[in-house]
Formats: sequence, structure tokens, C-alpha cells
Amino acid sequence: AQSVTQPDIHITVSEGASLELRCNYSYGATPYLFWYVQSPGQGLQLLLKYFSGDTLVQGIKGFEAEFKRSQSSFNLRKPSVHWSDAAEYFCAVGARRTGFQKLVFGTGTRLLVSP
Amino acid sequence: DVKVTQSSRYLVKRTGEKVFLECVQDMDHENMFWYRQDPGLGLRLIYFSYDVKMKEKGDIPEGYSVSREKKERFSLILESASTNQTSMYLCASSPTPGTGGVNYGYTFGSGTRLTVV
Repeated sequence: AQSVTQPDIHITVSEGASLELRCNYSYGATPYLFWYVQSPGQGLQLLLKYFSGDTLVQGIKGFEAEFKRSQSSFNLRKPSVHWSDAAEYFCAVGARRTGFQKLVFGTGTRLLVSP
Repeated sequence: DVKVTQSSRYLVKRTGEKVFLECVQDMDHENMFWYRQDPGLGLRLIYFSYDVKMKEKGDIPEGYSVSREKKERFSLILESASTNQTSMYLCASSPTPGTGGVNYGYTFGSGTRLTVV
């Protein structure tokens, strides 16, 4: 069964600084990988997803993530953080097979943006 | 724009009441899910459904039941609400990957914040 670890519960970044949120997964083959963002009081919105091919994936709001098979990681990055990026971020992994399947979510990383 | 709609953003209910949380999706998705979200615990799966009238327990089904009479609607029922069910409830839906096996992920609703007093 697959699993996801987000080792950072909170991260504080200055506005304009770069950001990297960590995600490590456990799965026996190449998985499907997702990053979601949740603004306060809202549901989760898909930022980006990795299926196959290019290991650097571009998403919405200027975010990108890189799949590194050797490190079992799918870290989320943004070159310059804006105050509106303050939110909670969830990494998720899905199995690569047909038929019904559930995503497994990490416990989330809360991003705080300081002025 | 495709949507998952949760009928209430905020609810306040009394202990012992029977509570219904409604979720409707307009994407013709086969699969629907109910999660609860609590600080420090992330998303915990309560129930899911992969077809009409089909339901499966998730990780924390105690105190909850579900109903899926139509493909687009998935209801979460708190049989007798208790204060420890105060939480944010999130509904999600997804298509079933076909022959190509591509998983497109979930689409989430905006959530219902339930307070039981």
C-alpha cells in the first residue's frame, strides 16, 4: 500500500523568498502524485499532478514540483512567494493501475508568509 | 466549470440530533468520498462509494453512515451527533481510471464546518 510523508508541519517564508515543501512517498512502482492547496475555510484545490514523462511538472499559481524516483520525493517549489500563498498544502499519492482506487494524503504543511 | 457542491458551509447542531450533510457533483464521476479534517490529523476517510447504492467504510466510520441513491449525490449521516464530531467535513469525487489507468485525482467541495453543541 502506498503512503505519504510531509515532514514539515509548519513553514514560514518571507514574502518574495523561494519556497520548497517536502513530500516523500512509499510505493512499489511509479505512482501518480498530486499537490493540493487549501485556503482557510475552503476545500482542497488541485495545484498540479504527475502522471508520467517529464519529471518537472508545472502547475497553477506559479508552482512546480519535481518527481525524483531515486529519492521517492515530489517536492513543491515556487521561486517567489506571495502573501496570498499562505495556506495548507497536501501531497497525495495514487496507485498506477486500472479500476477504483483511493488517494492517500499526507498530513499537510501549513505555509505562513511573513511581510 | 465542473463542481462538487456541499449544501452547507456552516452548521450548528445539538448533541443527539440526526445530521445530514449533502454533496452533489456534476461531473458524472463514479466515485465519491467523505473526509473529516481536524487540526494536526490531516484528512481522514469516513466512507466512500464507487457506484450507486455501493458504499465502503473508510478509516473512521464509527458514528456515521452514508447514502448514495443517485450517481451525483452522496450524503453523510450522523446518526446521533456528538461533540467529538465537531469538524470540517469534505466531500470529493473522482472518475474511475479506464483502460489506460490514468488517475486524475479528486475534485473537492468547499467543505462544511459542523459544530455540535
